[in-house]
Amino acid sequence: KQEVTQIPAALSVPEGENLVLNCSFTDSAIYNLQWFRQDPGKGLTSLLLIQSSQREQTSGRLNASLDKSSGRSTLYIAASQPGDSATYLCAVHSGGGADGLTFGKGTHLIIQP
Amino acid sequence: NAGVTQTPKFRILKIGQSMTLQCTQDMNHNYMYWYRQDPGMGLKLIYYSVGAGITDKGEVPNGYNVSRSTTEDFPLRLELAAPSQTSVYFCASNSLQGETQYFGPGTRLLVL
Repeated sequence: KQEVTQIPAALSVPEGENLVLNCSFTDSAIYNLQWFRQDPGKGLTSLLLIQSSQREQTSGRLNASLDKSSGRSTLYIAASQPGDSATYLCAVHSGGGADGLTFGKGTHLIIQP
Repeated sequence: NAGVTQTPKFRILKIGQSMTLQCTQDMNHNYMYWYRQDPGMGLKLIYYSVGAGITDKGEVPNGYNVSRSTTEDFPLRLELAAPSQTSVYFCASNSLQGETQYFGPGTRLLVL
């Protein structure tokens, strides 16, 4: 059974810092990996999707990497801003079936002004 | 384009009552999903559907039922509500296997 772990569970940094969020998964036979953002009381917003054949994806100040063989992904946020404060969720799609995503518990991020 | 919509936003149920959580998407997506999120936890898959008339169980299906009579709608039915079903429920959809999933805003359910 696929398990996804996110470290750290919570992180508080001053505005302007670069930071890295970590995600690990137990079964390397994944179809893709997604990073989501969740604001309090809101739904999930997809940030980046990395297919199993890809090594990284970039969107603005966000960069996500994938090392499938070691079961790891990182989300790099450059020049953090208070508006980046949210919970970040990592999710993997295992295999080729349409059986949904397996989520980690998330990293609660606070950017101090 | 509304995307994925869910109703109601919030509901309080008494133990033993039943209700249906509604989910509609206007993106003509074949794949639809129901997840639940408990406090401090990641989302867990309840049921999913790959098209109208086709549904299958996810990780935590007990106490729930679904149907998919149209491409747009994927309602989740709770029979005999229990306190353990207190959670936030999210509906999601995508067009192709492995593509980005789009999530609704969620339904917060409290069972007392």
